[in-house]
Amino acid sequence: DIQLTQSPSFLSASAGDRVTITCRASQDISSYLAWYLQEPGKAPKLLIFGASNLQSGVPSRFSGSGSGTEFSLTISSLQPEDFGTYYCQQVNSYPITFGQGTRLEIK
Amino acid sequence: QVHLVQSGAEVKKPGASVRVSCKASGYTFTSYGISWVRQAPGQGLEWMGWISNSKGNTHYAQRLQGRLTMTTDTSTTTAFMDLRSLRPDDTAVYYCARDSGTYWGQGTLVIVSS
Repeated sequence: DIQLTQSPSFLSASAGDRVTITCRASQDISSYLAWYLQEPGKAPKLLIFGASNLQSGVPSRFSGSGSGTEFSLTISSLQPEDFGTYYCQQVNSYPITFGQGTRLEIK
Repeated sequence: QVHLVQSGAEVKKPGASVRVSCKASGYTFTSYGISWVRQAPGQGLEWMGWISNSKGNTHYAQRLQGRLTMTTDTSTTTAFMDLRSLRPDDTAVYYCARDSGTYWGQGTLVIVSS
């Protein structure tokens, strides 16, 4: 199975900050990576697919980059509604796997 | 717009089975597969499997093989997830999602407790 390791696991930041979350895959997954945000008590929401493609309706302050084994999600200017847990997901091969999550909290 | 509406919460005893349904609307059901993902309390996301809504072929997580069955009913655009021989560590919120996760259901809490 392909392992995904996110860093950091926990992040405390303020509104307006620029933050970056990274996701490392245990083997080459090309660009078959997605990013999700999950707010407490809610289903995950797709932000980025294909490593760098913004899902329809997602604000442009979110961006994704990377390919192969190293990926990142950047939020250019944090807004209050951006706080929650972020997950990366590889869809290169079955079984599909998720990273362990990065909890982003308000400082 | 796309909607995935799941069945309600369930409480089961160890050893029992549970069926969770996922009613899809707002798109051509057979053009996309359905994934099932679960989340134990306070834990991360665990992919369970995927089913093609057109051909019915499936991919299951190895650790759930033998206990998990995914099916679909194209006449009612509904997907089903059956999990057997339930254990307390199957307690989780179960989500359905279109394909790998473009759209998600609201989640179904399954509690396994004696």
